Parts: sequence; C-alpha cells; structure tokens
Amino acid sequence: GAVVSQHPSWVICKSGTSVKIECRSLDFQATTMFWYRQFPKQSLMLMATSNEGSKATYEQGVEKDKFLINHASLTLSTLTVTSAHPEDSSFYICSAGEWTSGRINEQYFGPGTRLTVT
Amino acid sequence: GQSLEQPSEVTAVEGAIVQINCTYQTSGFYGLSWYQQHDGGAPTFLSYNALDGLEETGRFSSFLSRSDSYGYLLLQELQMKDSASYFCAVWMGNQFYFGTGTSLTVIP
Repeated sequence: GAVVSQHPSWVICKSGTSVKIECRSLDFQATTMFWYRQFPKQSLMLMATSNEGSKATYEQGVEKDKFLINHASLTLSTLTVTSAHPEDSSFYICSAGEWTSGRINEQYFGPGTRLTVT
Repeated sequence: GQSLEQPSEVTAVEGAIVQINCTYQTSGFYGLSWYQQHDGGAPTFLSYNALDGLEETGRFSSFLSRSDSYGYLLLQELQMKDSASYFCAVWMGNQFYFGTGTSLTVIP
C-alpha cells in the first residue's frame, strides 16, 4: 500500500511556542490530505481537510488561526500549532487519500505525531 | 453532523469469533470502512464496503446494511495480536468521519 510519513514522531515544547508537523506522501501524489487529532482512549477527530494549492477546510470548532495548514505541493502538507498550550497535547495524525475513478475509497495514515506541551 | 456509535469495549477468547457493530445516523455516504489501531500507533485500513452485503478479507469480514443503518466487523480465529482498537468510518465523498471506537481485548 501507499506510504505516508510524518515528522516529527514526537515533540515536546514549551507553552507559547509553535510546532510544525510535516506529512508526506512518499509514493503517490495526494491532492487531498486530512489532519486528525486523537486524545487518549478516544476516536479520531477530523480537524481539517488540506487541499493542494488552496486553503484548508476546517471542521467546526477548530481554530484556523491556531492550527495553520499549508499544502504546498502534491506530496507535502504541514500543520503548525501556534502558541501551543498544554490542552493542545495530543496525538496528531495525517492521512492522504488516493483517488480511484474519481473517488477516494481508501486513505493511508501517517504514523502520527505525539505532541506534549509543558 | 455524522454519528457512528460502537460498543466501547469487547472481550473475547483466543480462537473465537467476535463481531463489532457500528450503527450510524448520517445523511448519505459512499462507503463504510474499518480500521485497526494498536496503542501508540496509527490506524491501519482493514476493509471497505461500498455496497450492502459481506466483504471477506482473510480472517476479517465486514458487513453493511444501509436500510438498517448498520454495519459490523467480524473477526474470526482471534489471535492475541488482534487486541487493539477498531473504528468504523464513513466516506462522505470529500472526507471521512470516524466512529466512537471499540477496544477489543483478546484473552487466552
């Protein structure tokens, strides 16, 4: 299957600083990438849909000025958590959709990034 | 919004068969997917139902009934390594929504 990488795999930062997480599709072009957040023992919550060359679409309740998404190329999307606070500590996962016949019927997940804000 | 409900926890014996249900309230979707996630890891794709009926992939099978707003994942010949969280998800054409998740514990 397709491979999606994320970097870093884990990061610890101080409150008030910003953290950038990269998501790369390694062997296919991903016009659409998704960013999820997952708290312990909970489900994946979609944060935003990242589209190459255009603005991301954010889910209700997700602050677009706090979670900056940039999809600069067909293989790279970045999520920047600005002015991070302890409540932003979570597992952030990206995924890339592979289009087949005009539809996405499978998405490939990155390994996730564990963010801890102290 | 989309709502997909799953039992929070299921325990089953090694070698047995277990069914994990997913009931949903959603205004139309293209297909129902199932994902497995081990602690600390990312979800991995298991199965996808675009149409009603049963899809079989080795020890895993998935079922969808749109008329009943219901689907399930069936795991046969359970192994200890199957202990993980399982999520159903619907594809809305431009994004996925995930179910509440089921933590499966396989005991000897």
